[in-house]
Amino acid sequence: AQKITQTQPGMFVQEKEAVTLDCTYDTSDPSYGLFWYKQPSSGEMIFLIYQGSYDQQNATEGRYSLNFQKARKSANLVISASQLGDSAMYFCAMVTGGRRALTFGSGTRLQVQP
Amino acid sequence: DGGITQSPKYLFRKEGQNVTLSCEQNLNHDAMYWYRQDPGQGLRLIYYSQIVNDFQKGDIAEGYSVSREKKESFPLTVTSAQKNPTAFYLCASSARRGAPYTDTQYFGPGTRLTVL
Repeated sequence: AQKITQTQPGMFVQEKEAVTLDCTYDTSDPSYGLFWYKQPSSGEMIFLIYQGSYDQQNATEGRYSLNFQKARKSANLVISASQLGDSAMYFCAMVTGGRRALTFGSGTRLQVQP
Repeated sequence: DGGITQSPKYLFRKEGQNVTLSCEQNLNHDAMYWYRQDPGQGLRLIYYSQIVNDFQKGDIAEGYSVSREKKESFPLTVTSAQKNPTAFYLCASSARRGAPYTDTQYFGPGTRLTVL
């Protein structure tokens, strides 16, 4: 079985600063993908970034980067230069070779302060 | 513009009634999924479909039913057997190309169901 753990229910960050959202995962499948989604108050889940288990380099997408530490089974999301519009819930999720559907963590609520 | 649409945005149901949530995509994706989200929690998988006329139960399928007669459509019926259906329901789709663990899912805007 696979599991995603997000230990930070809520985080605050000042505008223009960087913030790291934690995610640890557990799976016995050597093939897996890790995803981060943003959920604003409207409810829609917005895909941010993907990291595959065989990728040698950390993924980056604009202001988002994924700090992937395979041995520690962690996949932390780093948001640089935070903006007020980054205030939202953030979910870490995983797909494995044996299970195509996403397994989600419980999420972290990020609030960006001016 | 390609995307996923869900309707209605808000739905109210009386106890004992069946209701159907619509999900349509024009992304030409093969796979479609239904998730449920309860307040303050992550999403849980209800059903998914990899191809037309085929679908599999997810982690919390009891009290729900689906059909996949067209590639673009994956409606979810919440039956009276679902004990606590009040929740936010999200539909997703993915292209299903390449290895399974590389398949990115994209979501619709969701339907908020309330049982009166």
